Amino acid sequence: QKEVEQNSGPLSVPEGAIASLNCTYSDRGSQSFFWYRQYSGKSPELIMFIYSNGDKEDGRFTAQLNKASQYVSLLIRDSQPSDSATYLCALNSGGYQKVTFGTGTKLQVIP
Amino acid sequence: EAQVTQNPRYLITVTGKKLTVTCSQNMNHEYMSWYRQDPGLGLRQIYYSMNVEVTDKGDVPEGYKVSRKEKRNFPLILESPSPNQTSLYFCASSKGGSANQPQHFGDGTRLSIL
Repeated sequence: QKEVEQNSGPLSVPEGAIASLNCTYSDRGSQSFFWYRQYSGKSPELIMFIYSNGDKEDGRFTAQLNKASQYVSLLIRDSQPSDSATYLCALNSGGYQKVTFGTGTKLQVIP
Repeated sequence: EAQVTQNPRYLITVTGKKLTVTCSQNMNHEYMSWYRQDPGLGLRQIYYSMNVEVTDKGDVPEGYKVSRKEKRNFPLILESPSPNQTSLYFCASSKGGSANQPQHFGDGTRLSIL
């Protein structure tokens, strides 16, 4: 089992819809969880980070963390074509100072 | 402007010719890291540093070296590059000396080894 798993997609949603991106992980010691957005040919940029169980909202973005079930998700409300990108889930490896990334989910927002 | 600067942005070189990719950050961050990104494999951590003179291996350290003599700089050294090190490389930094903080990424270095 991979340490961090994401569906590679592409996930296609119409403009204005909610996009739901999911990530599962295997290391129960992980404490910090991050969502990065990466446009083609560009570097990753931080969207959200979450440390505690529950929801964290920032504008159109909501991160959800469930440590018992070992998943973290990102909801994007009112999706825009400019949201079309690859979304990377990342976490710190418990007990170490390493950071592990999933392979990313490609999101396509259709106008 | 807060940034992570990598150089060069693009490099084509030949097998066995030592090369260094520089990384510098101006945010006084303690944690710095190098990643490589390959299609289908995502971002994989090569080495990281929690502070000056403190470095450790990530998931794919073979064939790479790093040093952290100053807080702002974290160069990646390929002593004898091979074609399987052809990849897109990112340097990143974050505040604090742990992996618990969000990272700021450089623009990337596309390395081709023939």
